[in-house]
Amino acid sequence: GDSVTQMEGPVTLSEEAFLTINCTYTATGYPSLFWYVQYPGEGLQLLLKATKADDKGSNKGFEATYRKETTSFHLEKGSVQVSDSAVYFCALRTFSGGYNKLIFGAGTRLAVHP
Amino acid sequence: KAGVTQTPRYLIKTRGQQVTLSCSPISGHRSVSWYQQTPGQGLQFLFEYFSETQRNKGNFPGRFSGRQFSNSRSEMNVSTLELGDSALYLCASSLVPLGSKNIQYFGAGTRLSVL
Repeated sequence: GDSVTQMEGPVTLSEEAFLTINCTYTATGYPSLFWYVQYPGEGLQLLLKATKADDKGSNKGFEATYRKETTSFHLEKGSVQVSDSAVYFCALRTFSGGYNKLIFGAGTRLAVHP
Repeated sequence: KAGVTQTPRYLIKTRGQQVTLSCSPISGHRSVSWYQQTPGQGLQFLFEYFSETQRNKGNFPGRFSGRQFSNSRSEMNVSTLELGDSALYLCASSLVPLGSKNIQYFGAGTRLSVL
């Protein structure tokens, strides 16, 4: 079935370091791909999205490119801040069995230290 | 503009009881989706309601049910609670149903503990 696999965390970085969180997916058809962020005690917030192959989603310095050939949607940021500390979820939206579904990865916790 | 509001924030129940959770979407949003978040299974989609009709559903047993009212507020009910139902239940609202133009906005969740 459809699924999303994220790199396990926690990822611990120093401020201003480069961030990559890997995400790969398995899906039939042409899913849309998303990154969500969850700050402590809060719900999920949409960070960025891409709806077709080679699309690049970007927001707040974060970027991810929809790579159909490698079925990947890796999240990157050039210089992380302490305020980026949160849990990041990769997700895909697919249509199967007559229903639309959002399928999430397990989440990757990021901790950024000053 | 108020965000998605979920009540209560915390709930403690015992096995065998039933529970009802509430979600008020962002004003003007007609789609409400429910998710279960646990450390073991992660985030899993339960179902989506749009205009008082269930439009999409995940792979949960019939003990999990929901409904949506004419003002778009939604409730989720879990009957015959099991220990494994302990989780953070998240609600998300959007203008349109799950599909190509859907962007979901999440509430802070209701944390349910089953003893």
